Amino acid sequence: GAVVSQHPSWVICKSGTSVKIECRSLDFQATTMFWYRQFPKQSLMLMATSNEGSKATYEQGVEKDKFLINHASLTLSTLTVTSAHPEDSSFYICSARRLAGVGTGELFFGEGSRLTVL
Amino acid sequence: ELKVEQNPLFLSMQEGKNYTIYCNYSTTSDRLYWYRQDPGKSLESLFVLLSNGAVKQEGRLMASLDTKARLSTLHITAAVHDLSATYFCAVDPGLTFGKGTHLIIQP
Repeated sequence: GAVVSQHPSWVICKSGTSVKIECRSLDFQATTMFWYRQFPKQSLMLMATSNEGSKATYEQGVEKDKFLINHASLTLSTLTVTSAHPEDSSFYICSARRLAGVGTGELFFGEGSRLTVL
Repeated sequence: ELKVEQNPLFLSMQEGKNYTIYCNYSTTSDRLYWYRQDPGKSLESLFVLLSNGAVKQEGRLMASLDTKARLSTLHITAAVHDLSATYFCAVDPGLTFGKGTHLIIQP
């Protein structure tokens, strides 16, 4: 079964509104989670690294004020797309690295969240 | 800056044939991943390769890693239609992804 869960899986919103996406590690603690964006027929682009209890690290070109990341617990990271616009429409995927137990070091991906901004 | 190049980007082949997908990366890395993505879905982990000479096999897929050449291969043996998908390699640190190989296997 899934070890990393994302919610919602699909969201449609109006331009100018904010959307929150949750990423949960279900059976392990993740001090670090990663957020990616994937446009149609393209590869995954790392947006930011979410660190539990501290500020996220953003990749070059990613606006930290637009893509708010909160990693308040060892099993939950959230990505909030603020004042969304149609160009923010994309497939957002999170991942978490298992640090102990079976599959140590392996990166597990959430199911993805498809955002459509009208 | 770490760069990851996959070849080919698109591949159409017939069932029963063999083929290899290549993943080259530009700097030293201690971990290489292969993932499968079906349309509209997230990534499914296939292999994690941790050391030079590592070879892993699962069904008709076999992955290998040559850290000296900075090259990983994903070999498909006797392809079947169900293997049609997009395959990505990704390299640590920073988990940089290749552009993906879109694979279509025709009956």
